[in-house]
Amino acid sequence: DSGVTQTPKHLITATGQRVTLRCSPRSGDLSVYWYQQSLDQGLQFLIQYYNGEERAKGNILERFSAQQFPDLHSELNLSSLELGDSALYFCASSERGTGDSGNTIYFGEGSWLTVV
Amino acid sequence: AQTVTQSQPEMSVQEAETVTLSCTYDTSESDYYLFWYKQPPSRQMILVIRQEAYKQQNATENRFSVNFQKAAKSFSLKISDSQLGDAAMYFCAYRSAWSNQFYFGTGTSLTVIP
Repeated sequence: DSGVTQTPKHLITATGQRVTLRCSPRSGDLSVYWYQQSLDQGLQFLIQYYNGEERAKGNILERFSAQQFPDLHSELNLSSLELGDSALYFCASSERGTGDSGNTIYFGEGSWLTVV
Repeated sequence: AQTVTQSQPEMSVQEAETVTLSCTYDTSESDYYLFWYKQPPSRQMILVIRQEAYKQQNATENRFSVNFQKAAKSFSLKISDSQLGDAAMYFCAYRSAWSNQFYFGTGTSLTVIP
């Protein structure tokens, strides 16, 4: 158990719909990262937040948005969904701030999104 | 931006044998961290091993060890006594010591042959 919690684990929705994926980072971690992994693909970095502020943005579509709340949990919002958005969405966290473990990124189990 | 290259999309190894997965990276920084992550069929991302660039000693974790060549910007993963449960996708990753951004390679799919 990495300590990163993602909900829901599985989600099936129709094209054109909007979904929200939720992530609770490890206790004390200030950074949250979102990644997209399509079938048989590598990890595509979407966006990173640090202590509530956007820190880095990757290949995130305009239809997607994210935020990190004061309690450090994060949400990834996906709207106007298309078939190609079907993927495994990972949340990860880092920056516990003490010792070497503070420099490591830990992943949640992912949220499987299927768009039909 | 830093880049991480895994030139072996697929590798295979006989059970109980040793296999080495390659990773190279491009950076102008002197202080950074390197990682190997394992992604089994369950798709969970699991940290295998971590190396700090300032440490000359290669990291080891049980049957997993790395060969860190800082000058060559190479960070290979050696798996000894391969087991069926080692079959997975392996990702190499880089993190600057000065930022909390991570860069991942494209992965190497490892098959373990019984």
